[in-house]
Amino acid sequence: DQQVKQNSPSLSVQEGRISILNCDYTNSMFDYFLWYKKYPAEGPTFLISISSIKDKNEDGRFTVFLNKSAKHLSLHIVPSQPGDSAVYFCAASSSYSGAGSYQLTFGKGTKLSVIP
Amino acid sequence: DGGITQSPKYLFRKEGQNVTLSCEQNLNHDAMYWYRQDPGQGLRLIYYSQIVNDFQKGDIAEGYSVSREKKESFPLTVTSAQKNPTAFYLCASSTTGGGFYGYTFGSGTRLTVV
Repeated sequence: DQQVKQNSPSLSVQEGRISILNCDYTNSMFDYFLWYKKYPAEGPTFLISISSIKDKNEDGRFTVFLNKSAKHLSLHIVPSQPGDSAVYFCAASSSYSGAGSYQLTFGKGTKLSVIP
Repeated sequence: DGGITQSPKYLFRKEGQNVTLSCEQNLNHDAMYWYRQDPGQGLRLIYYSQIVNDFQKGDIAEGYSVSREKKESFPLTVTSAQKNPTAFYLCASSTTGGGFYGYTFGSGTRLTVV
């Protein structure tokens, strides 16, 4: 049972254009969402997060949007740069669970390729 | 600088051998985690520990074992019972509110069975 889904395994975008990475979740108890960026043979690094009390969070070129009614979030990268080429993981957590609360549940990732 | 260190970066194991992957953190984080990454599978949780001397199985714990004798250390042993151990292993740590503050990941260990 995959609670966090990233349905696009890959995405190619031209440099300078917008990249939109999507993530869907099924667990309505999730109340915190994060995006991680991962280069090959390296550990993921935290990119941006959003709490369920918000619907948008911005950090420079990166913006995360949350639509709770649709159980959907998206990461927008504007403008896209070749250095953004990496695998992006969506993750979610719930503050309501007991043992193991605050654990992150990860999606399978989307590989973004930004073409110069 | 605070961080989380995994060693070695590359590891080769013969079939039937146990091997231990090291994970050390100096972030004063209470919780530590082990994940496995396979192509197309994302990150799958093997074991996690929220406090010293306590740990819990994740989604794919079979064939693995861990210990948490010190706050800073969370080694993972891949035993001969693990049928398909070749993978990229990631260790992470967090405060107890990890879901809100995120995880800090190590740089990973690539294990190859030869």
